[in-house]
Amino acid sequence: DTGVSQDPRHKITKRGQNVTFRCDPISEHNRLYWYRQTLGQGPEFLTYFQNEAQLEKSRLLSDRFSAERPKGSFSTLEIQRTEQGDSAMYLCASSGGETGISYNEQFFGPGTRLTVL
Amino acid sequence: QKEVEQDPGPLSVPEGAIVSLNCTYSNSAFQYFMWYRQYSRKGPELLMYTYSSGNKEDGRFTAQVDKSSKYISLFIRDSQPSDSATYLCAMRSYDYKLSFGAGTTVTVRA
Repeated sequence: DTGVSQDPRHKITKRGQNVTFRCDPISEHNRLYWYRQTLGQGPEFLTYFQNEAQLEKSRLLSDRFSAERPKGSFSTLEIQRTEQGDSAMYLCASSGGETGISYNEQFFGPGTRLTVL
Repeated sequence: QKEVEQDPGPLSVPEGAIVSLNCTYSNSAFQYFMWYRQYSRKGPELLMYTYSSGNKEDGRFTAQVDKSSKYISLFIRDSQPSDSATYLCAMRSYDYKLSFGAGTTVTVRA
């Protein structure tokens, strides 16, 4: 499967715990995005990377959230001191490439569903 | 007011009907317009992408953009039960972050 993959698919944690999610983009893509989706809403932009550089962060990304893409390949999203309001689906997407894949088309992974008890 | 407003639905149609989905937007900087399909508990799947006013057709799907009215539509012809899903409109300006509508849930009855 050459699509975007995310791990884990589901995470249940207690309030106050730290959690980390991983995203592996489509291999030839150099842009990687994180979005958050709550029930009944569309995804909301959190942050994006071009290669290893984090170029933009939404105001939704509080100080408890940190994202990295250390080698310009996979990315991690960490949430520290989780709160019940962090419960959501965390989606990763990628775009860009050199072999005819449009920079404009973002392809999403299956998401990580976080439940904070 | 949200940048992107989407008809909330839900929509329930008989098999074979035409499904019509609509979004309006307020940010005149939006230049690129997409429709995604999302099945329950799955990630969004890109259906259609366009950047100009007018119609774009792909099989049973037609995307329509009217930049002067800030209005986009998606039409699904000959709808099938497998088309039952939530449809999300999305758009962006020259930066790369997508702004999504809240989604319309469609059920196609066999």
